[in-house]
Amino acid sequence: EAGVTQFPSHSVIEKGQTVTLRCDPISGHDNLYWYRRVMGKEIKFLLHFVKESKQDESGMPNNRFLAERTGGTYSTLKVQPAELEDSGVYFCASSPQTGIDTQYFGPGTRLTVL
Amino acid sequence: AQSVTQLGSHVSVSEGALVLLRCNYSSSVPPYLFWYVQYPNQGLQLLLKYTTGATLVKGINGFEAEFKKSETSFHLTKPSAHMSDAAEYFCAVSGPSGTYKYIFGTGTRLKVLA
Repeated sequence: EAGVTQFPSHSVIEKGQTVTLRCDPISGHDNLYWYRRVMGKEIKFLLHFVKESKQDESGMPNNRFLAERTGGTYSTLKVQPAELEDSGVYFCASSPQTGIDTQYFGPGTRLTVL
Repeated sequence: AQSVTQLGSHVSVSEGALVLLRCNYSSSVPPYLFWYVQYPNQGLQLLLKYTTGATLVKGINGFEAEFKKSETSFHLTKPSAHMSDAAEYFCAVSGPSGTYKYIFGTGTRLKVLA
């Protein structure tokens, strides 16, 4: 069974540009989470999808971030326009059902904004 | 509200020595507690979790943790460190409310000395 995959693994962009991160969850997992780790700090929750619906987006930093999950399968996280403070590692995780199920994490996308 | 504190951002142990990584939590609801490990260039991998029941939890690779409600702690231990244990370890709390998002600590990087 394939794990959670994320693309790209690294992205380096200039301030003001747009970047789109993609996450493919484990097949059949209804729940998809996005987290972010800024260097040296804790991994912080961004948002949670149940299928294609946003269940909780309380962690989204501001309206420059837009997350979608088309058809309840893969998800994208777009940052437009990117700022320096958006640099960090973006993790995606999925779980079969909401509750105490373990979340399975992808390897992350390292975003550097110059 | 929930929070996690991991004492020690860097811990060094000799090969064969006891590993002790500390995690204290704060939670207004019964906590679900997790330890994840991240090896270089990989995603977060679940080591063990506590939800309900037995307070001593055994995980993979010889790790275990004990949930102590009175001390609000969930420290991770391993009797004998191996070189392959060198990685970054994250403690996280979740709970039976909302979306079960994880609240992470800042992580502890474990170094194993030969």
